[in-house]
Amino acid sequence: DSGVTQTPKHLITATGQRVTLRCSPRSGDLSVYWYQQSLDQGLQFLIHYYNGEERAKGNILERFSAQQFPDLHSELNLSSLELGDSALYFCASSVAPGQGAGGTFGSGTRLTVV
Amino acid sequence: GQQLNQSPQSMFIQEGEDVSMNCTSSSIFNTWLWYKQDPGEGPVLLIALYKAGELTSNGRLTAQFGITRKDSFLNISASIPSDVGIYFCAGPGGTGTASKLTFGTGTRLQVTL
Repeated sequence: DSGVTQTPKHLITATGQRVTLRCSPRSGDLSVYWYQQSLDQGLQFLIHYYNGEERAKGNILERFSAQQFPDLHSELNLSSLELGDSALYFCASSVAPGQGAGGTFGSGTRLTVV
Repeated sequence: GQQLNQSPQSMFIQEGEDVSMNCTSSSIFNTWLWYKQDPGEGPVLLIALYKAGELTSNGRLTAQFGITRKDSFLNISASIPSDVGIYFCAGPGGTGTASKLTFGTGTRLQVTL
């Protein structure tokens, strides 16, 4: 158990729908990162939050958004889902940017869009 | 953008053999990270490298930060069945080691008894 909790583990939904993925970071970690892993694109950084504020954005689609709440958990919202959004979505956490090399990853949420 | 290419893409080896894999970048990195991903799990950090030329070990694993800062190498000695998985290199694209990681294409390792 890495200490980073992601829910749900699996999600199946239809095209056009909207889903919310949740991440609870390790106790004491203020930074949360979201990654997408797909067969064709590999592991890609989406977005980074630190203590409630957005710090960096990667290849995140406009249909996707995220936030980090005061209790430090984070949610990734995916809307107008397309078949190509099917992927594993990982959350990682670290104490702060620049600390905890690479962050600690959760077990991921597998999203299947049908 | 930055690209990290790993080779080989996959490899079958016999238990007990040594393994070598590498990662090359189109641009310079100041930190190199090596991860292992087991099926159904997230990547787990194996080794972090912070200085060009650095050689760091973690048990049977040894990684090196290339002198040019555009490559890194991972060696596994005396492989065992639990070494099976996908190995990724990664480097940070932003401030700090954990920001905006760029991941390599991965090397899938399979061990035969």
